[in-house]
Amino acid sequence: KAGVTQTPRYLIKTRGQQVTLSCSPISGHRSVSWYQQTPGQGLQFLFEYFSETQRNKGNFPGRFSGRQFSNSRSEMNVSTLELGDSALYLCASRSGSTDTQYFGPGTRLTVL
Amino acid sequence: DQQVKQNSPSLSVQEGRISILNCDYTNSMFDYFLWYKKYPAEGPTFLISISSIKDKNEDGRFTVFLNKSAKHLSLHIVPSQPGDSAVYFCAVGSGAGSYQLTFGKGTKLSVIP
Repeated sequence: KAGVTQTPRYLIKTRGQQVTLSCSPISGHRSVSWYQQTPGQGLQFLFEYFSETQRNKGNFPGRFSGRQFSNSRSEMNVSTLELGDSALYLCASRSGSTDTQYFGPGTRLTVL
Repeated sequence: DQQVKQNSPSLSVQEGRISILNCDYTNSMFDYFLWYKKYPAEGPTFLISISSIKDKNEDGRFTVFLNKSAKHLSLHIVPSQPGDSAVYFCAVGSGAGSYQLTFGKGTKLSVIP
């Protein structure tokens, strides 16, 4: 079974731009969560989607948003990029019957 | 305030010996606990988990221990191998309505041949 895939793997943007990241979960998994990893804050929860509905959101500003499609694929959008948004963005998927989340390789976003 | 703490940023262990990684949490509502291993520029890889109804779970060389009264979690790796060198994160969650994981800051394990 293929793992979680994320595209693109690397991205460079400038301040003020917006960006969209994509995540394809493991086949059959309906839950997709997004996390941000930075050296200072570690891994922090952004939001979780299940069956196209956002179920929970972390403590991030409204510039961070996401959505999930009927095939469980998810996108994350960050608008009006700031330097501090430079991070590794990780997507994780989970089947409905277990607590374990499986992570993709991440998208490395650099904001200049 | 940190809800999950891994107090040792790094740990060095001789090959063949036991590696013990520790994790403390503050919220007694957490009811499932996981360990992930991470290499640079990659996503975390799931290692082992334990639910709050157990105090030990074993999978090959990896054993996770849970002490609910002390709010303490540990991962034992026996015997340690050089390929185990990576950053290890503990993660905790509550299944009540959402599966948000809260992570510790990680412990970098170096296994010396």
